Amino acid sequence: LAKTTQPISMDSYEGQEVNITCSHNNIATNDYITWYQQFPSQGPRFIIQGYKTKVTNEVASLFIPADRKSSTLSLPRVSLSDTAVYYCLVNTGFQKLVFGTGTRLLVSP
Amino acid sequence: DVKVTQSSRYLVKRTGEKVFLECVQDMDHENMFWYRQDPGLGLRLIYFSYDVKMKEKGDIPEGYSVSREKKERFSLILESASTNQTSMYLCASSLDGTALNSPLHFGNGTRLTVT
Repeated sequence: LAKTTQPISMDSYEGQEVNITCSHNNIATNDYITWYQQFPSQGPRFIIQGYKTKVTNEVASLFIPADRKSSTLSLPRVSLSDTAVYYCLVNTGFQKLVFGTGTRLLVSP
Repeated sequence: DVKVTQSSRYLVKRTGEKVFLECVQDMDHENMFWYRQDPGLGLRLIYFSYDVKMKEKGDIPEGYSVSREKKERFSLILESASTNQTSMYLCASSLDGTALNSPLHFGNGTRLTVT
C-alpha cells in the first residue's frame, strides 16, 4: 500500500532555514515529486517540482536522493507568512496521486 | 493565471439528499480531480478524470460519483449524503494527460456539512 509520510509539525523562527522531509517508498519510476503550500480556508498552492537531484526556484529548493524514496523541501530564511501546512505529492503508479500527511510549519518572530 | 472555481464555498445538506458539487477550470486543462480533506487524514483522492467522459476511481470513491460532460467542468455527486461525508471538498486541474506530472491547480474548496 502506498505510503507517503511527513513530520506532523515543525517550529522555526524568522530568518532560519527550514527543511521538511517526505518519505515515499512507492513512488512510480518516471514521475515527479511535487510540493504544495496550504493556508487556512484555501486550496493547496504549487511550490516546486522535481524528478531527481536538486531543483531550485525563487521560493524553495527541492533535494531528491538517487533512490527517490524521499525528498526534502528547503525554505531559506522563513518569514511569518510562511506559516502554513506543506504537502508532498507523488505518483505511486496506477495513476494515483497520493498526498503526504502534511507538515504544519509555525514560524515565530 | 489558472482559475479553478468551485460553485459553493459552504453547503449544508440533510442526510439522504442528493448533492452536486460543481467545479470549473478556465485553462483548457486535460485532468481534473476531486479530493476531500479531513483533520488528521490530509487530502484523499475521490475521483479523477483525464478526458471528457473519462473517470477513474481514487482511494475513496465509495458513496460518490462524478460527471465530466465538458472539458472545463467536473462534478462530484453524493447520491445519498451521509454525515460521514461532512468534509472540505477540493477540486483541482492539471494540464497534461495520463502522465500526471503537471502541477495541480486547486480551487478554494467547498465545506460541506451533512446533518
